[in-house]
Formats: sequence, C-alpha cells, structure tokens
Amino acid sequence: DAKTTQPTSMDCAEGRAANLPCNHSTISGNEYVYWYRQIHSQGPQYIIHGLKNNETNEMASLIITEDRKSSTLILPHATLRDTAVYYCIVRPDNYGQNFVFGPGTRLSVLP
Amino acid sequence: NAGVMQNPRHLVRRRGQEARLRCSPMKGHSHVYWYRQLPEEGLKFMVYLQKENIIDESGMPKERFSAEFPKEGPSILRIQQVVRGDSAAYFCASSPPNLADTEAFFGQGTRLTVV
Repeated sequence: DAKTTQPTSMDCAEGRAANLPCNHSTISGNEYVYWYRQIHSQGPQYIIHGLKNNETNEMASLIITEDRKSSTLILPHATLRDTAVYYCIVRPDNYGQNFVFGPGTRLSVLP
Repeated sequence: NAGVMQNPRHLVRRRGQEARLRCSPMKGHSHVYWYRQLPEEGLKFMVYLQKENIIDESGMPKERFSAEFPKEGPSILRIQQVVRGDSAAYFCASSPPNLADTEAFFGQGTRLTVV
C-alpha cells in the first residue's frame, strides 16, 4: 500500500483558506485518496475522497496533481471548529482493504 | 438515517474482567472496522469484518481479543481478562459492501478504562 507524508502541524488564521498538503509518491493506479479529520477525541469524520479528478463538497475541496503523487485538501474559510488532526489516506479499491491512519497534520485555526 | 452507534460510551473494568464493546453500523452497511487509539497516539487498525465473516484481523492482538459481526445484531469487540494497557478509545466504522470508492463512517467511540 502507498504511504503518505504530511506535515506534523500547521496554523491557519480564522476566515482564511487552510491548505493541507499530502505526499503519496508511490500511489498506484487503483488507489484512492481519502481525507478524514479527528476533532479532539471524537470519532474520525469523513471529509472527501478522489481518484484522479479534483473533488469538491460542502466541507472541502481536494486537489490531486496530474501525476497523482501529491494532493491538497482545501478548507476554503477555516473556522475555530476546524481545529483538528487531518489524515490523508490512500486506499486500494481491491476488496478487503481497510483504512490505514498515519500521524496526520494537526491544524490549529487561530483567531 | 442514524449514524454508527457505539455503546457504551464509557466503560470501566477492573483488571481481569471482560469488556464487551458494541457497534451498530449505519443502515445498509454490511462492513465494520474496529480501531484502537491509545492516549495521545494515533488510530491503529484492529479488525475488518463483514456479516458472519472476518475479512482482515491482522491488527488484532493474538490473545484475549476477539470480534464478531453476526447476521443479526451489532458487531462485538470482546476483550477478556483486561489489563491496564487495554485502556484506550475504541472506534468502529461501517461502510457499504466494499465497492471501489466507498467511504467509512465512524462512531463516537467507547472509552475503556481499566482500574
């Protein structure tokens, strides 16, 4: 399975866009990129996922580079409630694959 | 559509007792995953089940831990003869049958404290 690399921590000013990078240089053609976040000690929350194309939903946008070796999660207008640990996960579409969580990026949204 | 339900939310057990953690998946979801999170650490995969079948148990400790997902009822994670090191948050997630790009949704977890 492809491994991911994320910065340990990031800060973002409230109201500004938060751009969280993720490197997955060994990603395979059948592996999806998923993003989850964990606020304090709550259960992880699904954010978005994609394969090749950029994706957008009500929470965030996912930008995947053309070579698929990296991606960026964008929270367009960060609020204090977006302070959380953000996890980038690559997961094959083969049957029986679980979600492998790394250490993630601790995003602090500052007032 | 209710989310993934875990109970109890908090569980206190004395060393040597058994702990049973329950997870009711979202409606229509036939796959369940269990994860453990030790204090100040990351989420560690434990086991992946579909109804009446274990798909992947590579993250389960070899002794004292077992999991099931019967045809009817919730998935159960059972820890026998608990020790202090079992104190952690246990999260379960559910997903539809594993199609190419299905996301998993997590419950709020069970916090197990062993005293």
